[in-house]
Amino acid sequence: DAGVTQSPTHLIKTRGQQVTLRCSPKSGHDTVSWYQQALGQGPQFIFQYYEEEERQRGNFPDRFSGHQFPNYSSELNVNALLLGDSALYLCASSQVGAGPTDTQYFGPGTRLTVL
Amino acid sequence: RKEVEQDPGPFNVPEGATVAFNCTYSNSASQSFFWYRQDCRKEPKLLMSVYSSGNEDGRFTAQLNRASQYISLLIRDSKLSDSATYLCVVAFSGGYNKLIFGAGTRLAVHP
Repeated sequence: DAGVTQSPTHLIKTRGQQVTLRCSPKSGHDTVSWYQQALGQGPQFIFQYYEEEERQRGNFPDRFSGHQFPNYSSELNVNALLLGDSALYLCASSQVGAGPTDTQYFGPGTRLTVL
Repeated sequence: RKEVEQDPGPFNVPEGATVAFNCTYSNSASQSFFWYRQDCRKEPKLLMSVYSSGNEDGRFTAQLNRASQYISLLIRDSKLSDSATYLCVVAFSGGYNKLIFGAGTRLAVHP
């Protein structure tokens, strides 16, 4: 049973560029959440996708956008990159209504460096 | 004030020691509570959920005090493999929902 997968593993971009990160959820999961983790900090919630719609959003600017596909995979897009966008971007998948054990499983992350 | 606050750490303990991590959360509407473990440059992994009655999983014991908005994690008989960052996490509803993380407490277990 494949877990959550993310691509690419590492990425280097320059300020002003745009980036797309990809995530495939764990088998059987229908919800994808994205988090940004800066060095030395805990992950910060960016947004969550369910049924191909953004269901919740954290305190991130509109430069951060996403998409969920019919197969539940998801993309995170960041436009006009800033140096401060350098971080580990984590994707987490879950199953809505799975009961007491519902929780989020994280992928290995994409490490983005903005120069 | 941060929504979830943890002991700053790092904690440096010898093998076999008992170590306790504390965490407070600011929003009384929080419904679900977790401890995640994160190894260096890896993704967070669920260590255990935390229930109001307290719960134990082997050497790990988690406690929740809703009145004080306080969560704890106790690790007994520390192993070298317990060295990691421990993240205190809350959610407003189910665990599938938006997770709010503390900054983490680093634990280093030495021989």
